[in-house]
Order: sequence, then structure tokens, then C-alpha cells
Amino acid sequence: GAVVSQHPSWVICKSGTSVKIECRSLDFQATTMFWYRQFPKQSLMLMATSNEGSKATYEQGVEKDKFLINHASLTLSTLTVTSAHPEDSSFYICSASGGGERFGQYFGPGTRLTVT
Amino acid sequence: GQQLNQSPQSMFIQEGEDVSMNCTSSSIFNTWLWYKQDPGEGPVLLIALYKAGELTSNGRLTAQFGITRKDSFLNISASIPSDVGIYFCAGNEKLTFGTGTRLTIIP
Repeated sequence: GAVVSQHPSWVICKSGTSVKIECRSLDFQATTMFWYRQFPKQSLMLMATSNEGSKATYEQGVEKDKFLINHASLTLSTLTVTSAHPEDSSFYICSASGGGERFGQYFGPGTRLTVT
Repeated sequence: GQQLNQSPQSMFIQEGEDVSMNCTSSSIFNTWLWYKQDPGEGPVLLIALYKAGELTSNGRLTAQFGITRKDSFLNISASIPSDVGIYFCAGNEKLTFGTGTRLTIIP
């Protein structure tokens, strides 16, 4: 149980274009989803937290107009990187929680974004 | 803000050896989680700790939530090749991740 999927697993896009990444909880309802970014050989950095049906809460230094997050249902959240630039190239990972601290967070397999 | 420091940063061990790594925080945490990440994949939850002093096992893995609530350790007994990867500690509902411990097993 507690399986989270991401799509696509990797994407290459040209500078200036937008890319959408999907995160789905497959066998549970995720009241909260989190989006992380991980640069090579570094730890995961939280970008934003989203609760179903409400606006995402962004961490300091993360541009909300550049990284659009939509959590339209209890099983789906999307991250759209708008007007992508090469410095946005990274490994983006989502996680989902069913609510309450004891549930824990379960991570998706990640999406590797390369902006050329 | 909260910071989590993990040590050691990397470990090179032989198969069959036991492994110990720890995580310390500058502030109190209410939850400690240990994750393992393989290259190019998302982290996988290994053990979750919810009470100070709690000691929990998951197969060959054992983790403890420190009494001060500012530290935790993870032990792996009798390491095997598939234990290779990066181990992260993380704390609280809005996870703050540690710096990671990279485990390599020498054949």
C-alpha cells in the first residue's frame, strides 16, 4: 500500500517552454501533497505543500508564479514549471500523506527535468 | 530554521558488517523518519518514530528517537549489497531532510 506515481519520469524541454508534472496517490487518498527539488548529490529541498482544494503554500525563495501547483483531487497534484530555464533542471519529487503525522509521507519515483 | 546534520556523510563497508548512522537537529522534532534513496528514484520510507525514546525495528534495520528529541540513529545489521544507497533522516510533518549518508559496500 501507499504507492505514489509520477509522470513523466523524465522530460527534456527547450528554454522558455512550460512543463507539467503529475503526482498521483494510487491506493490512498492524499489530503496533503508535497513537492521537492533535488540537485545532484544534494538533499531534498521542500518547494511547496498543497492541500486538496486549496492554494499551495510555498517555501521561502520558491516563486509561486513560476512553479504552479494544483491539487484538484485527493489523488492528484500537478506541478507546472513555467518558462523553464536551464537552472530549473533538477530532479523533482512529490510525496503524499494521508493525513496525520503517523501516516508518514510516501514519495513518488521522481521526474528528471532537463531544460536545454 | 531547522537543520538536520547527518553523520557520517559516506561509509565504505564490507558485506556482512553492521552500519550505524545518526542525525542531529538544532531544534526539537516531534517525528523522525528514515528514508533510503536509490539513484534516480524517490526516497522509500524505512522507519517512522513518533515518541521520544522509541526504538523500532524493521527487519535488519533498527532506529531510535533520542530522549532529547534532537537526535536519532539508524543501525543496519549484517549489511547486504542491496543496502547500498543514500540514507536520509527527516523530521516532522513538513519534512526537513538531513544531509544524507551515502553507503557503499566493498565487495
